[in-house]
Amino acid sequence: KNQVEQSPQSLIILEGKNCTLQCNYTVSPFSNLRWYKQDTGRGPVSLTIMTFSENTKSNGRYTATLDADTKQSSLHITASQLSDSASYICVVIDRGSTLGRLYFGRGTQLTVWP
Amino acid sequence: EADIYQTPRYLVIGTGKKITLECSQTMGHDKMYWYQQDPGMELHLIHYSYGVNSTEKGDLSSESTVSRIRTEHFPLTLESARPSHTSQYLCASMASTTGNTQYFGPGTRLTVL
Repeated sequence: KNQVEQSPQSLIILEGKNCTLQCNYTVSPFSNLRWYKQDTGRGPVSLTIMTFSENTKSNGRYTATLDADTKQSSLHITASQLSDSASYICVVIDRGSTLGRLYFGRGTQLTVWP
Repeated sequence: EADIYQTPRYLVIGTGKKITLECSQTMGHDKMYWYQQDPGMELHLIHYSYGVNSTEKGDLSSESTVSRIRTEHFPLTLESARPSHTSQYLCASMASTTGNTQYFGPGTRLTVL
């Protein structure tokens, strides 16, 4: 069964601090992995896309890593801001899917305190 | 910012009512999706469409139905709402030609009393 597991389930940090969110997956065959940010009451918005050959990709203060051998990814947030408070969802797409089916993790709920 | 819209954003109704959740996108995407999401839980695919007149059921069994008469419009209907249907419903769309990026609408928060 294809699964995506995220940790921690929730995280509270102070403004300005860094944090790292983890994602482990068993989806196979692997196509790509995405991190989405979902604000409360809104739909998810894509932050980064990682393909099989990519190890690290940055998008501003967000840096995603991927280890396709161990099937692990992380999302590092630098110098957190209050607006970073949201759910961060790891999403994996399998290579055999022409439909573009996504496998979702449950998300990490990040709260940034002033 | 993706051009995909959902209405209503919030809906509170009584048991047994028929409801339709609207989803429209102005990007010309051929593929559209409906997801159901409970608080703190992952998104579950309940319906999807390859294009006009094409609809399929997703991974999670749902009593809802969908239609795709126009490319830009993918409404979801519940004939008789029940409290177990209380959830957030997210619509998404994707273009076949631009990889696997799905763009999500803001969601409809449905509460059935």
